[in-house]
Amino acid sequence: GDSVTQMEGPVTLSEEAFLTINCTYTATGYPSLFWYVQYPGEGLQLLLKATKADDKGSNKGFEATYRKETTSFHLEKGSVQVSDSAVYFCALHDNSGGSNYKLTFGKGTLLTVNP
Amino acid sequence: GAGVSQSPSNKVTEKGKDVELRCDPISGHTALYWYRQSLGQGLEFLIYFQGNSAPDKSGLPSDRFSAERTGGSVSTLTIQRTQQEDSAVYLCASTPLARLATDTQYFGPGTRLTVL
Repeated sequence: GDSVTQMEGPVTLSEEAFLTINCTYTATGYPSLFWYVQYPGEGLQLLLKATKADDKGSNKGFEATYRKETTSFHLEKGSVQVSDSAVYFCALHDNSGGSNYKLTFGKGTLLTVNP
Repeated sequence: GAGVSQSPSNKVTEKGKDVELRCDPISGHTALYWYRQSLGQGLEFLIYFQGNSAPDKSGLPSDRFSAERTGGSVSTLTIQRTQQEDSAVYLCASTPLARLATDTQYFGPGTRLTVL
């Protein structure tokens, strides 16, 4: 079955530090890949996505590149801010027949950015 | 409405009672999903609706869980005879179609269920 493995947290960084959250996946088909973010007290929202190999998703200074050869979709940001403190979820949406309807999530990584 | 809404936002119940959780998807979205977010389990898929039909109920953890969707819009997730392990945040999401792997799912704020 499909699965997503992401780096366990919590991750604590100082403001302006570089962020990487690793994510790898297994899928039977050719999935689309997503990063969702959950800010404190808020609902889950899409941060970025990539739908085919070598695509780079980007938003709010975050980037992730779909690497089919390494089945990875690592999230990066060059300079984090306190407002980036949240839980980050890597997810996939597999389009192999019969399963093109649900998201499979990683367990989430809590990021805390200190001033 | 502008986004997916869920009610109630919080629900505290006693073990053994039944609860109903409601989801209002984005207007016009034909696909609706329920997920559960619990400590140690992360986010788990529960059930998916395409219109009013539920082609996949495989994520429902037991027969105490059921869901329905009427008029292709509002959905209700019912948990009968609640147990403490049902305590979690129940999330609803919708998307215009469920045919494309590229579709973005839009999530509601969730219902936090606490079973005492």
